[in-house]
Amino acid sequence: SQQGEEDPQALSIQEGENATMNCSYKTSINNLQWYRQNSGRGLVHLILIRSNEREKHSGRLRVTLDTSKKSSSLLITASRAADTASYFCAAFWNNDMRFGAGTRLTVKP
Amino acid sequence: EAQVTQNPRYLITVTGKKLTVTCSQNMNHEYMSWYRQDPGLGLRQIYYSMNVEVTDKGDVPEGYKVSRKEKRNFPLILESPSPNQTSLYFCASSPVKVGDEQFFGPGTRLTVL
Repeated sequence: SQQGEEDPQALSIQEGENATMNCSYKTSINNLQWYRQNSGRGLVHLILIRSNEREKHSGRLRVTLDTSKKSSSLLITASRAADTASYFCAAFWNNDMRFGAGTRLTVKP
Repeated sequence: EAQVTQNPRYLITVTGKKLTVTCSQNMNHEYMSWYRQDPGLGLRQIYYSMNVEVTDKGDVPEGYKVSRKEKRNFPLILESPSPNQTSLYFCASSPVKVGDEQFFGPGTRLTVL
C-alpha cells in the first residue's frame, strides 16, 4: 500500500508562477523526501526533511512538514518550463520507504 | 561518474522465461533496493538490501528474487515471469543507512507477453 499520497494528481501552470504540491502520509515517519522524475527516467532526489523539522529550503524549493496533520508540501517558486516533470513524496519509517503516486507538473512557456 | 546502472534498459520476453536484470553502483553504498513503477500506483518496493548477504522483502516481493553477493551489485531475478510483471523497474542505492537520499538507476522497461 502507498504511504504517501500526492495532491493534486496533475497541475498545469504558466512559467513564472509558483507550484504547490501536497503529500499526505498514514503512519509516523523518520523523514520525508521529495523526488523528481522526468518522463520515464530515474528519480532524482530533491530534498529531505526530518520528522523534527518544520521547513526546509533548497534554491527555489521550499518544503514544509506538519507531523500533526501527517502532511508535507513542496513549493517551487518562479517555475520554469524545465520544471515540467512528475514529483513524488516518499515517507520513510522503520526501514520502510514508501512512495506516493506522484503529481504531474506541466509548466507552460 | 557516480552512478547506478541497470541492464538491460528494455526487455520484451515471454511468460515463464527466466530473466535477470542487473544493477550496479560505483558509490560504495551500503543500501540497495528495487522498485517497480506502474501507472497510478507510484513506486512500490520489491526487495531491499542493507548490506552484503542481507536482503529483505519490500511491499511486493512475490515472483521476484534478489541476491547481494557483492556490495556493488544487486540483481533482480524473475524465475518465471508473468504478464502482471510488465512494468518499469528501478534500482536505487543509498550511502550508509536506510532513509538516506536514494540514487536511482535509469530504469528497465520490461514487457512480459
